[in-house]
This record gives sequence, structure tokens and C-alpha cells, in this order.
Amino acid sequence: QSALTQPASVSGSPGQSITISCTGTSSDVGSYNFVSWYQQHPDKAPKLMIYEVYKRPSGVSNRFSGSKSGNTASLTISGLQAEDEADYYCCSYAGSLTWVFGGGTQLTVL
Amino acid sequence: EVQLVESGGGLVQPGGSLRLSCAASGVTFSTYHMNWVRQAPGKGLEWVSYIGSGYNIYYADSVKGRFAISRDNAKNSLYLQMNSLRDEDTAVYYCASDRDYAFHLWGQGTMVTVSS
Repeated sequence: QSALTQPASVSGSPGQSITISCTGTSSDVGSYNFVSWYQQHPDKAPKLMIYEVYKRPSGVSNRFSGSKSGNTASLTISGLQAEDEADYYCCSYAGSLTWVFGGGTQLTVL
Repeated sequence: EVQLVESGGGLVQPGGSLRLSCAASGVTFSTYHMNWVRQAPGKGLEWVSYIGSGYNIYYADSVKGRFAISRDNAKNSLYLQMNSLRDEDTAVYYCASDRDYAFHLWGQGTMVTVSS
């Protein structure tokens, strides 16, 4: 159950697009289309932004999109806004009703 | 209003025990698959344990044999019995429901500090 690999930090200016990668293995990301992404503001609970690789829960902006290729998933945020500044975590189902998270990526909106 | 509310966190000595609770409201709790997810101070999220609506149970290797998850559908509540606590168990513990293999609903978290 090793953590998925994410960049520690990314940044972008308002209006720009950024992409956060999430690399796992053939036992988790590569095996299942059950990758999810969470946004966490300081001292707040995580919030689901993307599930099943690319699906958005009701109420989540369509500026957030997800994709996957092989063992790597990605979260793209377009039209960056100040309120997007937060930590982002990817998560993959790893079989046998277990999950593995990424280490998290701190997004800074310049 | 749909919500999950954790309680039971606190300060405990290494080797000690603690029982966390998570109260659900506004949901048909008995049909929900439930999980505990933790976050050590300044660190990332870590999945801890799962209990399905059918009471099947799974644990992360890091807590297997020390933690026990349970649920009481009559009380709309989820529990985590934590024994043989270690320094590295210090974290905010969140309860979260999963659907479609993702964690859709989260509580606000309860802090557990293991320290002498």
C-alpha cells in the first residue's frame, strides 16, 4: 500500500490552466478506473472533486477535469481562480476494498 | 441536512486505547459504506478502514490487528476502536462514506494525539 506520487507543489496565475499528475502502479491506478480527486482548504475536511477518473459530483465546477493514461492520472483546473488555492489529493482504489492516496499537491494561485 | 459528525478524539499515552464515533444524519445510514481516513499533522491523507453496508470489513496494514471498525445502524453511528496506540497514530481522523469507490461525504474530523 505505497502512496501514489504527486508533485509537492504547482502554481499558476488567475485564468491559466494547471495539471496535477498522480502516478501509481499496475496494482492500483493502472488496474481500476476508480481514481478520485479531493480538494482540501486549510483546517477543512477534504471535498470530492472528481470520481471514476473524470466524473464530477453535482455542484463541482466544470473547470475541474480528470483523465488517466496507464498508471498515471491527472487533474486539470482551467481558468484558475483565487479560491482554487488549496491542497489536492488523488486517490485510487487498490482492490479488496482498500484505497491508496497520493501525498498531496499544494496549489498556489499567483 | 446531510452530515457526519465525529467525536471521541483526545490525548492518549502510547499503548493506550481510544474509541472514536461518527454520527450520521440526513442519510439512510444502513445503506452507506463507511470508512475512516486519517491525516497526520502537516501530512497527507491515509485510508484506515472500511465497513460495508453488509458489514464486510477491511483495514490498512498499518492498523491491522490494533484497530476495529464497527457500526450500529439503529443509532446511525460508525465507530473505530483503537488499541495499542503509537506515536504515528497521531492524526485527525475523518469518517467518510464511499460510493462509486470514492469518498463523497466527509465529517469535520476529530484529533487524536498519542503522546506521553
